[in-house]
Amino acid sequence: AQSVAQPEDQVNVAEGNPLTVKCTYSVSGNPYLFWYVQYPNRGLQFLLKYITGDNLVKGSYGFEAEFNKSQTSFHLKKPSALVSDSALYFCAVSSTGGGNKLTFGTGTQLKVEL
Amino acid sequence: NAGVTQTPKFQVLKTGQSMTLQCAQDMNHNSMYWYRQDPGMGLRLIYYSASEGTTDKGEVPNGYNVSRLNKREFSLRLESAAPSQTSVYFCASSEAREQGNLYGYTFGSGTRLTVV
Repeated sequence: AQSVAQPEDQVNVAEGNPLTVKCTYSVSGNPYLFWYVQYPNRGLQFLLKYITGDNLVKGSYGFEAEFNKSQTSFHLKKPSALVSDSALYFCAVSSTGGGNKLTFGTGTQLKVEL
Repeated sequence: NAGVTQTPKFQVLKTGQSMTLQCAQDMNHNSMYWYRQDPGMGLRLIYYSASEGTTDKGEVPNGYNVSRLNKREFSLRLESAAPSQTSVYFCASSEAREQGNLYGYTFGSGTRLTVV
């Protein structure tokens, strides 16, 4: 069975500093990896995905993520955080061995402070 | 550009009452999903429909039923609501393929359900 772990319930960072939100996964087959963001009282919005190719993926709002096959990780990063980045972030995985379902992590609350 | 539309947005039920959550997508997606979101537990799959005419159980199907009415619509029914079903419910759709989901999901804005 496929699974996703987000080890941090909350990440705090000062505005202007780099941020990292961690994600590790377990799948059979090749992974397809996604990051979603959820603002208060809203649905989840797609940020970026890794399917194949370059390990560094760039997405919306200046976010990027690095796929590391040996460490089975897909950490979300941004060089300079903004207060408006404060939200709940979800990592998700599907795979060639897992059918067409996405499995989500438990989410990481990002808080960016002035 | 509606995407995925869920109704209602909010609902309060008494224990034992029934209700149906509605979901419709206008992107011609084959697959549709119902999730519940609870604090500290992320999103858990209740039911999904890989294609029109098929439905399957997810992680937490007990107490729920679904109907894939047509390609656009996928409803979730609570036959006898319980306080444990207090949650935020999200519908999603995707253009899924057999060899894994390459495209991710498009989510609705959610239904906040309280069972008292």
